[in-house]
Amino acid sequence: DAKTTQPPSMDCAEGRAANLPCNHSTISGNEYVYWYRQIHSQGPQYIIHGLKNNETNEMASLIITEDRKSSTLILPHATLRDTAVYYCIVSYAGTALIFGKGTTLSVSS
Amino acid sequence: EAGVVQSPRYKIIEKKQPVAFWCNPISGHNTLYWYRQNLGQGPELLIRYENEEAVDDSQLPKDRFSAERLKGVDSTLKIQPAELGDSAVYLCASSLTVTGGTYEQYFGPGTRLTVT
Repeated sequence: DAKTTQPPSMDCAEGRAANLPCNHSTISGNEYVYWYRQIHSQGPQYIIHGLKNNETNEMASLIITEDRKSSTLILPHATLRDTAVYYCIVSYAGTALIFGKGTTLSVSS
Repeated sequence: EAGVVQSPRYKIIEKKQPVAFWCNPISGHNTLYWYRQNLGQGPELLIRYENEEAVDDSQLPKDRFSAERLKGVDSTLKIQPAELGDSAVYLCASSLTVTGGTYEQYFGPGTRLTVT
């Protein structure tokens, strides 16, 4: 079973920041937090991952709480093309990803 | 850089028929995964390869599913015979595993199988 809890759906206005929360209260010390998204009829797309520190790349920022029990994925300026299912996954490096149901993000103009 | 390539993209077969899916991972990626995604659900692992060795096949229904990864590059997933419940999207992913860690997984577009 997935080790994360995410809201089933969220809405965001185009151009605004989308903040997607994830709870992972049973995370182990060496487990990473990964974020993937899946646009309709496509394979999952890697977004970002982190262990303890906050991370940023060209797509998003990942904020992990100090106790590592939750995290937030931030899309700084959401566009219509960001409409997708977003998966938060906790996993050891090199092992299979266990996907939950994710959060369906709907970006509207 | 080319991504993970899968073929065919779509396949419709009658139950009891065999079917095969092919995956070409990203060049240099030594770890390959096959996942199955049912409608409305997240992907679930079927098998994971490190080079040509299957290191995790605990979720592969071995009575009808088989997989191979010859020479540690391309991989084929086969179902024989197919059942109605096998209708799903079959996803291939690859990653680079080195001593001390594994990089992120990259997914192909998937093969949508419909069994009638």
